[in-house]
Amino acid sequence: QKEVEQNSGPLSVPEGAIASLNCTYSDRGSQSFFWYRQYSGKSPELIMFIYSNGDKEDGRFTAQLNKASQYVSLLIRDSQPSDSATYLCAVNADTGRRALTFGSGTRLQVQP
Amino acid sequence: DTAVSQTPKYLVTQMGNDKSIKCEQNLGHDTMYWYKQDSKKFLKIMFSYNNKELIINETVPNRFSPKSPDKAHLNLHINSLELGDSAVYFCASSQDAGGGGAYTEAFFGQGTRLTVV
Repeated sequence: QKEVEQNSGPLSVPEGAIASLNCTYSDRGSQSFFWYRQYSGKSPELIMFIYSNGDKEDGRFTAQLNKASQYVSLLIRDSQPSDSATYLCAVNADTGRRALTFGSGTRLQVQP
Repeated sequence: DTAVSQTPKYLVTQMGNDKSIKCEQNLGHDTMYWYKQDSKKFLKIMFSYNNKELIINETVPNRFSPKSPDKAHLNLHINSLELGDSAVYFCASSQDAGGGGAYTEAFFGQGTRLTVV
């Protein structure tokens, strides 16, 4: 069983629409949740992090966390073609393990 | 100034060769990592060092040997390269949040694309 699961996509949305990216995780002890964006041929870069249940907003991005359902999502409002990339969900468990466990990523395509 | 830098960016080599990838971070972080990203874009932890001490060693062939001369550097040496080692290897670093609870994000280097022929 994969520890962090994401739909591989591609998720295709028109420019200006809301893109919704989802992630589930298996370890109930997970404490920290991250969304990274990775353009083709580039390294992952942090978009958002969230530690507490609920929503966290940063500009056009909103991260949502539901620990009871072991679910974390990323909403991108007013999607732009420049948002087209692979979005990686990453989780860290509260076990003293100092490393992130990544999902396989969801490829987002924003159509102009 | 590049925060996490790794060299080389591209590495093409023949099966059976030995190669090294170097990584340096100037962020003052305590923890450094090596991740492997396969052709399906799946990022998997290989090793983690905290203040030069190995703390994570995933199921990686012992042909892979990390070395951390100081907390700002983490190198990866690979012996007897195989075709299946072809991947992108990312170095990353993070600040130790003291274990447990919230955990700080990892910053990634630009990656080393290793191709074994």
